[in-house]
Amino acid sequence: KAGVTQTPRYLIKTRGQQVTLSCSPISGHRSVSWYQQTPGQGLQFLFEYFSETQRNKGNFPGRFSGRQFSNSRSEMNVSTLELGDSALYLCASSSIDVLAGGRPGANVLTFGAGSRLTVL
Amino acid sequence: AQTVTQSQPEMSVQEAETVTLSCTYDTSENNYYLFWYKQPPSRQMILVIRQEAYKQQNATENRFSVNFQKAAKSFSLKISDSQLGDTAMYFCAFVVSNTGNQFYFGTGTSLTVIP
Repeated sequence: KAGVTQTPRYLIKTRGQQVTLSCSPISGHRSVSWYQQTPGQGLQFLFEYFSETQRNKGNFPGRFSGRQFSNSRSEMNVSTLELGDSALYLCASSSIDVLAGGRPGANVLTFGAGSRLTVL
Repeated sequence: AQTVTQSQPEMSVQEAETVTLSCTYDTSENNYYLFWYKQPPSRQMILVIRQEAYKQQNATENRFSVNFQKAAKSFSLKISDSQLGDTAMYFCAFVVSNTGNQFYFGTGTSLTVIP
């Protein structure tokens, strides 16, 4: 079973440009979430998409946006790049985990390798 | 607001010894799940262990176990018989039940296993 695939793996942009990152989830996973990872800050939640709808959104400016397609693949876009946007962007997919009796279980995230963005 | 705190930025342990990584969290929710994820150098983040908050029993996965203290909002990870492959960044995380996948992560603990 293929894992979570993120492209591109590395990219360099300059301030003011925009960037689009792509994420293909594990087959059958309908939830895709995005995280920004920077040294000292850990992982910060950007947003989550489920069945093409944004289900949750973190505390990031509107320059950060995303979408999900009918095949569950997701893209995130960052416009008007700033130096502080340099980070590893991680995508994670998840299936629905329902325990016996219908009780919702923990949705385990499966992460991709990430897209490392450098803004100069 | 939900927060996760890992107060040990770096730790080291001798091979075959035991090490405990600390994590505290803050939430007003009662139903949630807790996780430890591991990120080896230049490799993908993988799940180490998870704990349902409604369960009193501490979770275990082979050499990995947790000490979950709900009242103290503490969730530490114990690694027994440490191996060189355990060298990684470890992140504590939690998610509130039935809210989707908005996970809250700590800033991580870098663990080095010394041969």
